[in-house]
Amino acid sequence: EIVLTQSPGTLSLSPGEGVTLSCRASQSVDSTHLAWYQQAPGQAPRLLIYGASSRATGIPDRFSGSGSVTDFTLAISRLEPEDFAVYYCQHYGNSRSTFGQGTKLEIK
Amino acid sequence: QVQLVQSGAEVKQPGASVRVSCKASGYTFTSYGISWVRQAPGQGLEWMGWISAYYGSTNYAQKFQGRVTLTRDTSASTAYMELRTLTSDDTAVYYCAGERETAGSIYFQHWGQGTLVSVSS
Repeated sequence: EIVLTQSPGTLSLSPGEGVTLSCRASQSVDSTHLAWYQQAPGQAPRLLIYGASSRATGIPDRFSGSGSVTDFTLAISRLEPEDFAVYYCQHYGNSRSTFGQGTKLEIK
Repeated sequence: QVQLVQSGAEVKQPGASVRVSCKASGYTFTSYGISWVRQAPGQGLEWMGWISAYYGSTNYAQKFQGRVTLTRDTSASTAYMELRTLTSDDTAVYYCAGERETAGSIYFQHWGQGTLVSVSS
């Protein structure tokens, strides 16, 4: 089973700043099977990035994904107030899935 | 537009079973699979299993193997998740998530609103 480890656990930032979130896989994964989600408090998750680097429909271009093999990143430039949420990476392959433990972005 | 609408909150006693439904609309139900994901209070997302809406075939996370059953009713465009032998550790919000595929990438494009299952004596 692939284990995804996200870092850091929590980040305190101010609106307008940029940030990079990390997701490391326990073994090599196909980048087409790596996605990122955002979850605001009390809400269902929302798809941000699929295939490691493709933005989902309606996602602002300040969100970008990159990476390959075992190391993947989600970058957010110019944080907006609504971006302060929890972010999860996900691997999905062969009809099985696993999520990272999440990174929480909080307002400093 | 695509919608996944789940059944309402449940309160169960330890040892009981729960069944949560997920009704799809806005697309051809049998075109895509559905996964179930749960989230315990204050915790992260945990994938439970997947069902092919077309074939009815399933895959379960090892942790839930033998305790969870995913089914679907194509005539009602509805997927179901049944979890048995509940304990307090099963208290969580349960989500259904609809898959989409693009160029070999499969991801959870659409999510239900979540169903809170509380297990307490």
